[in-house]
Amino acid sequence: KAGVTQTPRYLIKTRGQQVTLSCSPISGHRSVSWYQQTPGQGLQFLFEYFSETQRNKGNFPGRFSGRQFSNSRSEMNVSTLELGDSALYLCASSLNGVGDNEQFFGPGTRLTVL
Amino acid sequence: SQQGEEDPQALSIQEGENATMNCSYKTSINNLQWYRQNSGRGLVHLILIRSNEREKHSGRLRVTLDTSKKSSSLLITASRAADTASYFCATDAWGAGSYQLTFGKGTKLSVIP
Repeated sequence: KAGVTQTPRYLIKTRGQQVTLSCSPISGHRSVSWYQQTPGQGLQFLFEYFSETQRNKGNFPGRFSGRQFSNSRSEMNVSTLELGDSALYLCASSLNGVGDNEQFFGPGTRLTVL
Repeated sequence: SQQGEEDPQALSIQEGENATMNCSYKTSINNLQWYRQNSGRGLVHLILIRSNEREKHSGRLRVTLDTSKKSSSLLITASRAADTASYFCATDAWGAGSYQLTFGKGTKLSVIP
């Protein structure tokens, strides 16, 4: 099976812009979770989508949003970018959701906000 | 705040030695997982241990879980240079009204050939 793929791998934006990141889960996986990784805060949970519905949400502002399509592919959007949004954004897929199953992570999208 | 906290933050050992990393957490959990991250392969799942299990093995990895102390340890035996990576524990818990997997800040392991 193909692994989790994320596009783009690298992205440079300026403050105030918005960005959309994409994640394709492993075939058959219905849960997609998104994480932000920074040197200071480590890995932080953004949200989880399951069967096109947001099922769980971390403690991030409303500028961070996402959606999931019927084929389980997911997108994450960040509006009005801030310098502090510079991070590695990871998505993970699993069969049934966070905690209960092994999470398969993609390679990440490295976002730099200038 | 982070649910899991790894200890030590950094560890340097010689190839062939054993490496032990510890993780402490704050609230009740259903499962605890260990992940490894290096620049070449990204974040990779190593092992999952359920709250009713006390010990689990996978190859050169041994994980223990003590729910009374809210702690877990990961032992890597006969370490290799390829084990050089950051290791994270992750616990599932309710936080801010949501069920999520919460990662610690990791232990950076360096295995010297």
